[in-house]
Amino acid sequence: AQKITQTQPGMFVQEKEAVTLDCTYDTSDPSYGLFWYKQPSSGEMIFLIYQGSYDQQNATEGRYSLNFQKARKSANLVISASQLGDSAMYFCAMREGYTSNSGYALNFGKGTSLLVTP
Amino acid sequence: NAGVTQTPKFRVLKTGQSMTLLCAQDMNHEYMYWYRQDPGMGLRLIHYSVGEGTTAKGEVPDGYNVSRLKKQNFLLGLESAAPSQTSVYFCASSYAGPGANVLTFGAGSRLTVL
Repeated sequence: AQKITQTQPGMFVQEKEAVTLDCTYDTSDPSYGLFWYKQPSSGEMIFLIYQGSYDQQNATEGRYSLNFQKARKSANLVISASQLGDSAMYFCAMREGYTSNSGYALNFGKGTSLLVTP
Repeated sequence: NAGVTQTPKFRVLKTGQSMTLLCAQDMNHEYMYWYRQDPGMGLRLIHYSVGEGTTAKGEVPDGYNVSRLKKQNFLLGLESAAPSQTSVYFCASSYAGPGANVLTFGAGSRLTVL
């Protein structure tokens, strides 16, 4: 079963507007972490933001914030004041407790392609 | 500092050929990982290592072998390449344990198997 679901294959947003990228997750582990990565057209994976399952407050990093709703198992990424350089693929990922077939590796969603228009 | 370096960046193979992808990290990370990225599939874990001399299978290990003889290096081998192994391969590393240990990724290696 898919552990990370990103339901928006593609999104458009106008420059300077805010945009929300959806992510829902599935786990029975009480201790887990949620990550967002950005992959521009150049291909590298860039870490954006992290939220721990026990963190009381939503994580923020500059223009990025994570809207963490634990009961709904959602971890949406909010990008404020979008810039042209935000056009990229965005991946939500989760780390659970140690398992024999993943260690502490991240389990990734399929990604959302964001295009910022002038 | 280089972070995570992958070589080669691009490679074209014929079906049945073998090759090795090299990943090197200079951050003294205990854990290392190999992922593959295919269109519409996100990143899927191939193999991982929690320390020098130890490796384990991930989600999609078939057709691949790995070795971690030195802490800083993690090698991914294809013994007999198949067209289904055409993909972009990412190596990543992190400190040990759970929590906020961020995976640092290499730039990726694009492999085409004809």
